Amino acid sequence: AQSVAQPEDQVNVAEGNPLTVKCTYSVSGNPYLFWYVQYPNRGLQFLLKYITGDNLVKGSYGFEAEFNKSQTSFHLKKPSALVSDSALYFCAVSSSSNTGKLIFGQGTTLQVKP
Amino acid sequence: GAVVSQHPSRVICKSGTSVKIECRSLDFQATTMFWYRQFPKQSLMLMATSNEGSKATYEQGVEKDKFLINHASLTLSTLTVTSAHPEDSSFYICSARYTSGGVSSTDTQYFGPGTRLTVL
Repeated sequence: AQSVAQPEDQVNVAEGNPLTVKCTYSVSGNPYLFWYVQYPNRGLQFLLKYITGDNLVKGSYGFEAEFNKSQTSFHLKKPSALVSDSALYFCAVSSSSNTGKLIFGQGTTLQVKP
Repeated sequence: GAVVSQHPSRVICKSGTSVKIECRSLDFQATTMFWYRQFPKQSLMLMATSNEGSKATYEQGVEKDKFLINHASLTLSTLTVTSAHPEDSSFYICSARYTSGGVSSTDTQYFGPGTRLTVL
């Protein structure tokens, strides 16, 4: 069965410091991996995705994520956090063998303090 | 590009009434749309997959007679919550699947802004 784990409910960082939001996955077949961000009372905004190719994926707002097949991880990173990055972040996975259905992690709240 | 809208953004209704939520892909055609439900501070729960021109596929435990889904065109899917009750109060989010010429690298879901349903 497909699954996604985000081991941290909340991540706290100081503005200007690097941030990492962790994600590990389990999927049969080749994984398609996604990161989305959600602001309060809003839908999800697409940040980036990994389908194939370079393991380091760059996305919106300066975020990037690294696909690590051996560790089945897809951690989200940003070199320098902004207060405005504070939001709820979701990792999601689908596989090449399904109909596009996404399986979401439980979400990680990122709090960036000035 | 890849914008998805939802209407209404917020609705309050009396118990026993029905509520319709619209999901539109504004700048692309979507043969597949998805409906999710989200409880406070929780992840998204997939309710159903909406396929243009065919019946929706519901996830286990989701009542198809209560949550009616219609995908009448390539840019519009609707979710109707029938005979709503307070336990149906939630944040409902739709997404539209964007694919281009069948190339898997463009297969991405874009989400609407969500609809807050409150049933009194």
